[in-house]
Amino acid sequence: DAGVIQSPRHEVTEMGQEVTLRCKPISGHDYLFWYRQTMMRGLELLIYFNNNVPIDDSGMPEDRFSAKMPNASFSTLKIQPSEPRDSAVYFCASSLTERGLRDGYTFGSGTRLTVV
Amino acid sequence: GENVEQHPSTLSVQEGDSAVIKCTYSDSASNYFPWYKQELGKRPQLIIDIRSNVGEKKDQRIAVTLNKTAKHFSLHITETQPEDSAVYFCAARDGAGSYQLTFGKGTKLSVIP
Repeated sequence: DAGVIQSPRHEVTEMGQEVTLRCKPISGHDYLFWYRQTMMRGLELLIYFNNNVPIDDSGMPEDRFSAKMPNASFSTLKIQPSEPRDSAVYFCASSLTERGLRDGYTFGSGTRLTVV
Repeated sequence: GENVEQHPSTLSVQEGDSAVIKCTYSDSASNYFPWYKQELGKRPQLIIDIRSNVGEKKDQRIAVTLNKTAKHFSLHITETQPEDSAVYFCAARDGAGSYQLTFGKGTKLSVIP
């Protein structure tokens, strides 16, 4: 199992540009989460999906952020237009619920986004 | 929603000593409490977890305790080694059907050789 795969690992972009982050969850996992990590705020949940359906997007900071999960093996997080304060490490994580038990998350390697 | 407080934010210990990190949570319905270790520049990785029907769980040098009445849980690392140096995050998952984890702010543990 290759784990949760994120791309790109690093992204440097200019303010105002569109940024798309990608995630491939572990095969068979039914939950997918997008987190943002900064020194000031720690790990913040942005949005999560269950069986490809968005369940809670209350953590999405504003309309510039959007996320999709068109199928069980792929999700994107898009920022348009990007701003310097969006600079952070963005993690994708997936998990599997089994018989009502809730497993821990498996995180991807993250995308370090720098907006200049 | 759930709120998780974690203390201390930084912790330095001598190699071989024990380290304790404490977390409190606000939602009494929370029923799952994992701990993650994040080394510099790497992803958070699950190291141990505990469910609300258990008071203590051990795995070699690490243990987690849970006090549901007081709504706090702790991570204990014994015989610390330099490779234990990392940021540790606690988290809580509410019992109301949501599958999201709320994380503490993290504790940076430094083990001094």
